[in-house]
Amino acid sequence: DTGVSQNPRHKITKRGQNVTFRCDPISEHNRLYWYRQTLGQGPEFLTYFQNEAQLEKSRLLSDRFSAERPKGSFSTLEIQRTEQGDSAMYLCASSTRRYEQYFGPGTRLTVT
Amino acid sequence: DQQVKQNSPSLSVQEGRISILNCDYTNSMFDYFLWYKKYPAEGPTFLISISSIKDKNEDGRFTVFLNKSAKHLSLHIVPSQPGDSAVYFCAASGSDKLIFGTGTRLQVFP
Repeated sequence: DTGVSQNPRHKITKRGQNVTFRCDPISEHNRLYWYRQTLGQGPEFLTYFQNEAQLEKSRLLSDRFSAERPKGSFSTLEIQRTEQGDSAMYLCASSTRRYEQYFGPGTRLTVT
Repeated sequence: DQQVKQNSPSLSVQEGRISILNCDYTNSMFDYFLWYKKYPAEGPTFLISISSIKDKNEDGRFTVFLNKSAKHLSLHIVPSQPGDSAVYFCAASGSDKLIFGTGTRLQVFP
């Protein structure tokens, strides 16, 4: 399967804990995006990489959030000191052009 | 400030008929528009896109229409099939990120 993969698919954590999600993009895609989706809403942009460079970050990405893409391959999204408001589906997408982004299955985070 | 709006949260259509999903946007700087389909517990799946220099794009049963003067786009599905039942999101791009609407849940019944 050559699609975008995300791990884990589900994560339950207690408030205050740190969590890390991983995204493996489609192999030839140099652009990688993170979005967050909550119930009843469409995906909201968090951050964007072109190769290993993080080029844009949303105001939604507070200081507790950090994303990396070492060597321009896979990416990780870490949330420190999780809060209940962080509960959401975290989606990763990749592309070769700025549109027509291809999404992975998402990681559903539940903070208790 | 919601730049992309899908005002119909749900739509129910009989199998074989046409499904029309609508989307409005406010930012005239958007230059590319896309439709995604989403099943429960899966990520959005790209369906069809259209550049702002065009007013129509067709791919099989799916056609997207763009009316720039009205800042409106629509997705037509003909004929509708039960497997089309899903949530449909329109999205717009004027930079490197996509701005999504809130989605329309389409149900196709026999």
